[in-house]
Amino acid sequence: AQKVTQAQTEISVVEKEDVTLDCVYETRDTTYYLFWYKQPPSGELVFLIRRNSFDEQNEISGRYSWNFQKSTSSFNFTITASQVVDSAVYFCAEGVKGSNYKLTFGKGTLLTVNP
Amino acid sequence: KAGVTQTPRYLIKTRGQQVTLSCSPISGHRSVSWYQQTPGQGLQFLFEYFSETQRNKGNFPGRFSGRQFSNSRSEMNVSTLELGDSALYLCASSFALPGEQYFGPGTRLTVT
Repeated sequence: AQKVTQAQTEISVVEKEDVTLDCVYETRDTTYYLFWYKQPPSGELVFLIRRNSFDEQNEISGRYSWNFQKSTSSFNFTITASQVVDSAVYFCAEGVKGSNYKLTFGKGTLLTVNP
Repeated sequence: KAGVTQTPRYLIKTRGQQVTLSCSPISGHRSVSWYQQTPGQGLQFLFEYFSETQRNKGNFPGRFSGRQFSNSRSEMNVSTLELGDSALYLCASSFALPGEQYFGPGTRLTVT
């Protein structure tokens, strides 16, 4: 069975600080997908990134970057120069081949960026 | 393109009643998934439909059911409501890429 662990329940930073959200996944499958979603106070989950198990390249999108390391089963998310608008709950999720539309989510990390 | 819409947004029911929630996916998306979100259990997968067929199912009792129509709209039904069914129910649609799901705003169900 899949399991996604987000050890950080809450993180509080001051605006412009960099912050890294940790995600550790467990799976016996060789083909799987990893995701990050953002849930602002409005409640709607926003898709941020999808990464498949064969692509360990790190990705950068503006102030967001993701570090995927199969050796440690981690898929960490870094926000550079955080802003107040980044305040939200961030979820890491996993889907496996054959059940790709069924996502297993971590418990989420509440990020608060203070001005 | 319009996003995923869910109706109603808020609902209050009493124990023992049943409820039907509706989800309209993004135009062109044929996969619709449902999730339950609670403070204690987090986000849990309920089921997924594609072309009117249930393809995946989570570990929920038979009181939770769903269906999908030919226009990809989906409904989920919860019968004999329990207090523990109080949650935010999220619907997500997907076009092709596995797991790249787009979520609606959710229906907040309160059972009293």
